[in-house]
Amino acid sequence: GQNIDQPTEMTATEGAIVQINCTYQTSGFNGLFWYQQHAGEAPTFLSYNVLDGLEEKGRFSSFLSRSKGYSYLLLKELQMKDSASYLCAVRLTSGTYKYIFGTGTRLKVLA
Amino acid sequence: IAGITQAPTSQILAAGRRMTLRCTQDMRHNAMYWYRQDLGLGLRLIHYSNTAGTTGKGEVPDGYSVSRANTDDFPLTLASAVPSQTSVYFCASSDQGGHTGELFFGEGSRLTVL
Repeated sequence: GQNIDQPTEMTATEGAIVQINCTYQTSGFNGLFWYQQHAGEAPTFLSYNVLDGLEEKGRFSSFLSRSKGYSYLLLKELQMKDSASYLCAVRLTSGTYKYIFGTGTRLKVLA
Repeated sequence: IAGITQAPTSQILAAGRRMTLRCTQDMRHNAMYWYRQDLGLGLRLIHYSNTAGTTGKGEVPDGYSVSRANTDDFPLTLASAVPSQTSVYFCASSDQGGHTGELFFGEGSRLTVL
């Protein structure tokens, strides 16, 4: 089966840096995605890694190690609006593309 | 505005009734997906379609059916609703030939089965 693990909840202070980890054990890996989801809204795409290393996009960075089955999302200069759930997803391929999600990490940013 | 449209936004349904959730996209994406989201369980894949005319089962397909008659539409049908199908349902699409192939989500359909 497929297994994707993330911490359930994290708390951080405005202006700080937070790292959200994701570990996965899946078959047919073809990319790892991070999504942001505010309460009551649809998920929106944040970042994508298919090769090992760091991808930077403004205040958000994402890292992937395929050999370790590990990724993290790094959020810098936290703002109150970053309070949301962060979803880690793996794209599988065995002839077809499917995306499997972890249960998500709820981040609370405190003033 | 281009994107994915889901209908209805919210629905209360008696157990045993048939229900179809509609999903339409205007981005000409080849792949479409249905997920359900439940507290503590995250997004779980119900069914998917990689191209018009083909569909596949996801993680939790039982009690649901889909069809993909054309590129734009991907309806999800509950033949006989049960209370455990109370959930928020998200339709998504992706361009598998694109650079990243990320998912684009509709706004969700909140379904309550009594």
